[in-house]
Amino acid sequence: KAGVTQTPRYLIKTRGQQVTLSCSPISGHRSVSWYQQTPGQGLQFLFEYFSETQRNKGNFPGRFSGRQFSNSRSEMNVSTLELGDSALYLCASSLQPGQGNTGELFFGEGSRLTVL
Amino acid sequence: AQSVTQLDSHVSVSEGTPVLLRCNYSSSYSPSLFWYVQHPNKGLQLLLKYTSAATLVKGINGFEAEFKKSETSFHLTKPSAHMSDAAEYFCVVGASGGSYIPTFGRGTSLIVHP
Repeated sequence: KAGVTQTPRYLIKTRGQQVTLSCSPISGHRSVSWYQQTPGQGLQFLFEYFSETQRNKGNFPGRFSGRQFSNSRSEMNVSTLELGDSALYLCASSLQPGQGNTGELFFGEGSRLTVL
Repeated sequence: AQSVTQLDSHVSVSEGTPVLLRCNYSSSYSPSLFWYVQHPNKGLQLLLKYTSAATLVKGINGFEAEFKKSETSFHLTKPSAHMSDAAEYFCVVGASGGSYIPTFGRGTSLIVHP
């Protein structure tokens, strides 16, 4: 079974630009969540999608947005990039809540964004 | 509300000696608790999970953790460290079932000396 796939793995942008990151979950997983990881703030929850609906959102500005498609693939977008947005962005998928789901997350390898 | 505290930011051990990574949690619900490991420039991999079954949980690569409700702890142990265990370890609290936002500890960097 293929794991969670994130693309691109590495990217460099300049301030003011925007970026789109993609995440393909494990087959059969319908919940996708996104996290930002930085040395200073650690791992922070961005948002979670299930059946194309955002169900939970972390404490990030509106520049951070996402969506989920009918095949459960998800994208996140960051507009008007700032230097502080440099981070490893991790995507995780999981089974549908309930139905014996114990909350285990399956992570991709991340997209490392550098903002210059 | 829930929170998780990893008591050590760094733990240094010699190869072949025991490993102890400490985690305390708080949760309004009956918690699910997880330990994940992250190697450099990689995603997080599940080591083990507690979901209200046995309090002593065995995971991959010889790791295990004990859920102690009275102490609100979920410490991770391994009898004998290997060089390949050097990585960042995260303790995570999530609610049982349903939609939830997981809470991550700040991580413990495990350093293994030869």
